[in-house]
Amino acid sequence: GESVGLHLPTLSVQEGDNSIINCAYSNSASDYFIWYKQESGKGPQFIIDIRSNMDKRQGQRVTVLLNKTVKHLSLQIAATQPGDSAVYFCAEPGARNAGNMLTFGGGTRLMVKP
Amino acid sequence: DVKVTQSSRYLVKRTGEKVFLECVQDMDHENMFWYRQDPGLGLRLIYFSYDVKMKEKGDIPEGYSVSREKKERFSLILESASTNQTSMYLCASSSGTSGRSFTDTQYFGPGTRLTVL
Repeated sequence: GESVGLHLPTLSVQEGDNSIINCAYSNSASDYFIWYKQESGKGPQFIIDIRSNMDKRQGQRVTVLLNKTVKHLSLQIAATQPGDSAVYFCAEPGARNAGNMLTFGGGTRLMVKP
Repeated sequence: DVKVTQSSRYLVKRTGEKVFLECVQDMDHENMFWYRQDPGLGLRLIYFSYDVKMKEKGDIPEGYSVSREKKERFSLILESASTNQTSMYLCASSSGTSGRSFTDTQYFGPGTRLTVL
């Protein structure tokens, strides 16, 4: 079935380094992808999104790259800070043909070492 | 900014009790969602609603019901709580036109951690 997954469940980086969080997707018809950040004890927070007609989108310290050829999505965080420690999810429109559904990946935990 | 609030951050109930989880959004969003989040299982959709008084089952609706009497409020009901319903419950909302757009970002509330004893 359709799925959204992540390569690494846990990523540990040094403060100040760049972080790269990866996501593989299987639904080639997905036209939209979203990254969420979830801090401990809180709900997921929208970070950035990208449409399938784009290869790259930049936000504040974050960049999302989309490679449709290999169905791969990545989130890059520049100059990682302790406040970036969280679980990061990618999401795509759900396989079910009912509007506004999202399918979420399992999440990658980012740990920032001081 | 979009704000989604949930009535309780932590809740402890006993097996067999009827439990109400309330969610309110202040951005006039048409679509609202209830998820539960469990370690190793990620986010799973329980129910969603794309309009007042409209509801549709998600992936795991068993043991739950919902109510959407007003646009801003979406309630999740556990008719008879069981221990396997101990979980983090997350509400989300998104804008859209009658629930037919695939491109709407969902905005989440802070979550309710429910423990059923």
